[in-house]
Amino acid sequence: DQQVKQNSPSLSVQEGRISILNCDYTNSMFDYFLWYKKYPAEGPTFLISISSIKDKNEDGRFTVFLNKSAKHLSLHIVPSQPGDSAVYFCAASGSNYKLTFGKGTLLTVNP
Amino acid sequence: NAGVTQTPKFQVLKTGQSMTLQCAQDMNHNSMYWYRQDPGMGLRLIYYSASEGTTDKGEVPNGYNVSRLNKREFSLRLESAAPSQTSVYFCASSEAKGGQGARAFFGQGTRLTVV
Repeated sequence: DQQVKQNSPSLSVQEGRISILNCDYTNSMFDYFLWYKKYPAEGPTFLISISSIKDKNEDGRFTVFLNKSAKHLSLHIVPSQPGDSAVYFCAASGSNYKLTFGKGTLLTVNP
Repeated sequence: NAGVTQTPKFQVLKTGQSMTLQCAQDMNHNSMYWYRQDPGMGLRLIYYSASEGTTDKGEVPNGYNVSRLNKREFSLRLESAAPSQTSVYFCASSEAKGGQGARAFFGQGTRLTVV
């Protein structure tokens, strides 16, 4: 049973517009959430994270929002750039620090 | 700073052959992980080691064994490779810090093909 779900396999946006990537989770014991970015033939790289005690974390063009009651988080990228084109993975962890990943969303930013 | 280093980067095996994927990290992290990535499946945890001397099964451990040789190294062994184990394998390490949970750092991956 998937504990972390990314229901959109792909997303296409225009350069300069906002990209919104969504993630849902089922395990209420998760207390830390992360977003990773992955280019082809490379390992995933950490992008941004949020603790369950917060509802928003911002880092430059990237903002993650957490809605605990809905068990939902989202990643906003504003403005989107062609270099942001990659696969984005949502991940969650609990007290054992084991990371559980979603299936990923392929973001394409068109010039 | 090398971070997480995996060897080899590519490997082709025949069904039934065995091999060990090596992973080493130089960040003094306690926790290490092995994931596999398959098309449409995301990253699935095979095994992880919360600290030196301990290992635990993840989501897809069948057909694999692991060894946490020391704090730096965590190897993944395929005793009898099967075509279903064709995948890209990623090693990762993390050190939980206050408020940061399990922020993991990944290696570049090993692309394994079993024919």
